[in-house]
Amino acid sequence: ELKVEQNPLFLSMQEGKNYTIYCNYSTTSDRLYWYRQDPGKSLESLFVLLSNGAVKQEGRLMASLDTKARLSTLHITAAVHDLSATYFCAVGGYKLSFGAGTTVTVRA
Amino acid sequence: EPEVTQTPSHQVTQMGQEVILRCVPISNHLYFYWYRQILGQKVEFLVSFYNNEISEKSEIFDDQFSVERPDGSNFTLKIRSTKLEDSAMYFCASRERSSVYEQYFGPGTRLTVT
Repeated sequence: ELKVEQNPLFLSMQEGKNYTIYCNYSTTSDRLYWYRQDPGKSLESLFVLLSNGAVKQEGRLMASLDTKARLSTLHITAAVHDLSATYFCAVGGYKLSFGAGTTVTVRA
Repeated sequence: EPEVTQTPSHQVTQMGQEVILRCVPISNHLYFYWYRQILGQKVEFLVSFYNNEISEKSEIFDDQFSVERPDGSNFTLKIRSTKLEDSAMYFCASRERSSVYEQYFGPGTRLTVT
């Protein structure tokens, strides 16, 4: 069974500083997805990473994938309040296995 | 922009009652999914559906659950006899036939079983 582990589970960020969320998974996969979820809302797709070494950036968020290490990172640059949300990584192709999520709170 | 829609947004039901959750996937998508998220927990796969049949289901998806695509546009999840532990947010997702396998999620139905 594919296991997906995220850490940290909770992240209190200070505005303007940089942080990283880690996503490890247990079996080989070359597809990894990052989603954002606001409280009570659905899952918004952030990034789709399809190959080893893939790097994608959107605004203050950058995601990368190392399939050999079975590791993806979501890097947040100069955190701002509107990045407060829960971030999930998910692995797989046909069906998705999700990590537990990282709840991010950005404080002034 | 096309999106997955779900109805109702919130359903309250009594234990033992049947519920049907409805989803309208994106129109050119061929693969359909149901996931659930118990409050404060991670999103869990329930079932996938392709070509009018179940492709894969999880251990959660027992005989109390069924899915159907009754009319070519709707995709439904039925729970025959709800239990308290079925209370969760249920998300429908769909994707097209592509190598990206990206799934698009609906807004969810919050099911509360009392």
